[in-house]
Amino acid sequence: QVQLQESGPGLVKPSQTLSLTCTVSGGSISSGDYYWSWIRQPPGKGLEWIGYIYYSGSTYYNLSLKSRVTISVDTSKNQFSLKLSSLTAADTAVYYCARGDGERSAFDIWGQGTMVTVSS
Amino acid sequence: EIVLTQSPGTLSLSPGERATLSCRASQSVSSSYVAWYQQKPGQAPRLLIDGAFSRATGIPDRFSGSGSGTDFTLTISRLEPEDFAVYYCHQYGSSSSWTFGQGTKVEIK
Repeated sequence: QVQLQESGPGLVKPSQTLSLTCTVSGGSISSGDYYWSWIRQPPGKGLEWIGYIYYSGSTYYNLSLKSRVTISVDTSKNQFSLKLSSLTAADTAVYYCARGDGERSAFDIWGQGTMVTVSS
Repeated sequence: EIVLTQSPGTLSLSPGERATLSCRASQSVSSSYVAWYQQKPGQAPRLLIDGAFSRATGIPDRFSGSGSGTDFTLTISRLEPEDFAVYYCHQYGSSSSWTFGQGTKVEIK
């Protein structure tokens, strides 16, 4: 079955740009009507949706983060990626990638998450 | 942005009891676009309910969702030991941003 796996640095300095990648296995990122999202969760807090991408490259972002977020897709590698710029301590969180089955859909498959700490 | 407010913050119950979790939206949400997730410590959330009413694949029938407009409910008919966790509601109908509630923790009494 389809599995998602996040990868990237665990520690990033303030003001820098975070880069994370989600690798999709067990299925093609280009098949079906799937939309690929990033979601984050600060320690001990709730969930925040960051944005999604379709395999064609079309994106949709959380308005509160839109100015700092870029999500891209590499269909040849079956991956999609997140870039978040101008980091502060408030961006410290577990970052999850997830799949939505349709443009407006719940997240039916999640990665295990990767912890990112923003600190000098 | 649609704000989702979950209540109570913590629910203390015993195995076998019924759990009723509430999610209230700051403006009306189409019931087609409301979901519920379960999250256990150190794990990613797991989809329970989609479209306000529909159980996700493999979810036991003791979990049920209901509601419309601004008020949605997740009911666990009889709590099993593995059901003690944090539950989040989620709306993905807004044309601006998708949002989650702050969570309800169901703990063993």
